[in-house]
Amino acid sequence: GENVEQHPSTLSVQEGDSAVIKCTYSDSASNYFPWYKQELGKRPQLIIDIRSNVGEKKDQRIAVTLNKTAKHFSLHITETQPEDSAVYFCAASIGSGYSTLTFGKGTMLLVSP
Amino acid sequence: DTAVSQTPKYLVTQMGNDKSIKCEQNLGHDTMYWYKQDSKKFLKIMFSYNNKELIINETVPNRFSPKSPDKAHLNLHINSLELGDSAVYFCASSPVPNTEAFFGQGTRLTVV
Repeated sequence: GENVEQHPSTLSVQEGDSAVIKCTYSDSASNYFPWYKQELGKRPQLIIDIRSNVGEKKDQRIAVTLNKTAKHFSLHITETQPEDSAVYFCAASIGSGYSTLTFGKGTMLLVSP
Repeated sequence: DTAVSQTPKYLVTQMGNDKSIKCEQNLGHDTMYWYKQDSKKFLKIMFSYNNKELIINETVPNRFSPKSPDKAHLNLHINSLELGDSAVYFCASSPVPNTEAFFGQGTRLTVV
């Protein structure tokens, strides 16, 4: 099955800095790559996603890049703010009829004022 | 207005008991899931249910059984609870497989 590796496990930045979280996946058939943000005690919520026919996607301060050849994708957050502090999960899904999301182990992002 | 709702939010029970967690979605989605999040925050798929077909993660003990009375509900029943079952269980749904999953608020299960 699919295996998703995520790095780093923790990331501390100063407010206004950029943050980058990287993930690799094992199954070349994966074609859907979402990123979820989970605040303490809350549910995971989608912040951005990308499909394999696109190399980059941006939404305000958040961007995701995908390298299909290398089988890795990254989340970029610019101008970080304290409210960006949370656990971020990458995931990958194979484009078959009954595929499910396989999650990375999460990155705890701490943005200090 | 809650899209995916789970009950209860907290569940404390003794080893050996049987318990159920209910999940309902009002989004009209065809696919529902159960995820387990352990103390290290790792999210692991347990079951997915799509169009009356159940896909089971082979690592899930058979003490866990999902039950879907209709497309909007996917309940989780757990027999003979063990200490290691303590975790947060998330229900989720998506319009079809391989699309955004919408999560419920989670059920924190504590087995004592």
